[in-house]
Amino acid sequence: ELKVEQNPLFLSMQEGKNYTIYCNYSTTSDRLYWYRQDPGKSLESLFVLLSNGAVKQEGRLMASLDTKARLSTLHITAAVHDLSATYFCAVDLHSGGGADGLTFGKGTHLIIQP
Amino acid sequence: NAGVTQTPKFRILKIGQSMTLQCTQDMNHNYMYWYRQDPGMGLKLIYYSVGAGITDKGEVPNGYNVSRSTTEDFPLRLELAAPSQTSVYFCASSPYGYSNQPQHFGDGTRLSIL
Repeated sequence: ELKVEQNPLFLSMQEGKNYTIYCNYSTTSDRLYWYRQDPGKSLESLFVLLSNGAVKQEGRLMASLDTKARLSTLHITAAVHDLSATYFCAVDLHSGGGADGLTFGKGTHLIIQP
Repeated sequence: NAGVTQTPKFRILKIGQSMTLQCTQDMNHNYMYWYRQDPGMGLKLIYYSVGAGITDKGEVPNGYNVSRSTTEDFPLRLELAAPSQTSVYFCASSPYGYSNQPQHFGDGTRLSIL
């Protein structure tokens, strides 16, 4: 059974600081996704990481994937209040097309304070 | 484009009642999925479909049924509602085959069973 673990599950940080969210998964997979969810809203796709060593950046967020370590990170640089949300990583169990659905972590609830 | 549309947005059911959650997508995606999200948790896969006429169970299928008669529609049926099915239900879709595209999520249906 594929397990996806995120840490921390809750993070309160100040604006302007840097921090990293970690996502570990238990079986081989070469596709990993990061989503953002605002309270009461749907999931918004942030990054799709498709291979070992993949790194993607969008604004103050940068995601990376190490398939050998079964680890992905989501790094936040110089945090701003608008980044407050819950962040989920999800792993595609099979690399052949995403047919079997995603396994999600429990999410990291991020609060950024002035 | 509307993307993935779910109806209703909110619903309260009594124990033992039945209902169908509707999901339609206009992106011509072959793959469609149903997830549930319990408070403070990640999403769990209920059922998925790789095309019209083909469905399969996910991690938590008990108490639910699905059908896929067209590419666009993927309804989720609750036959005998139980309090444990109180949750937020998300429908998602993704393109056919190996793809760098993420799953696209609807806005969710918030279901309470009393």
